[in-house]
Amino acid sequence: QKEVEQNSGPLSVPEGAIASLNCTYSDRGSQSFFWYRQYSGKSPELIMFIYSNGDKEDGRFTAQLNKASQYVSLLIRDSQPSDSATYLCAVNAGGGNKLTFGTGTQLKVEL
Amino acid sequence: DTGVSQDPRHKITKRGQNVTFRCDPISEHNRLYWYRQTLGQGPEFLTYFQNEAQLEKSRLLSDRFSAERPKGSFSTLEIQRTEQGDSAMYLCASSLAQSATEAFFGQGTRLTVV
Repeated sequence: QKEVEQNSGPLSVPEGAIASLNCTYSDRGSQSFFWYRQYSGKSPELIMFIYSNGDKEDGRFTAQLNKASQYVSLLIRDSQPSDSATYLCAVNAGGGNKLTFGTGTQLKVEL
Repeated sequence: DTGVSQDPRHKITKRGQNVTFRCDPISEHNRLYWYRQTLGQGPEFLTYFQNEAQLEKSRLLSDRFSAERPKGSFSTLEIQRTEQGDSAMYLCASSLAQSATEAFFGQGTRLTVV
């Protein structure tokens, strides 16, 4: 079992729709959870982080964390073509100081 | 620009040569990380420093890889006797120790070994 799992996609959504990206992790000691966006050929860009169970909203983005289910998600409201990218879920597995990344989910927002 | 800076952005080298990459972190960040990313994969942890101390190194990392952060500011990553399998994007990230894993990435160095 991989430490951080994501569906590779592509996930296609129409412009203006809600995109839902999911991630599961294996280490129950994980304490911090991050979503990075990565455009093709570019480096990852931090867009959200969450530490506590529940929802955290920032603009069009909402991160959701359920530690009991070892599940973290990212919702993107009013999806735009500029949101088309790969979204990487990252976890500090075991509560350590390094991040363990999933393989990313490719999101395509279609006109 | 006060973000993480990496140099060079691209490097093409012949198999067997040594290469060195540089990373300048965000100035107030005392933690610095190196990751490697290949196509279709997420970044893979290589090593990290807090100030000048190298605190963790991936068990999977070959002995051909070495990293330094001599004055607790910039860092270098050296790969000796490069192999084709070393071709990847090498990413540097930095963070504050008190928000240890809110790491911000540089633009990366893309290495191609021919």
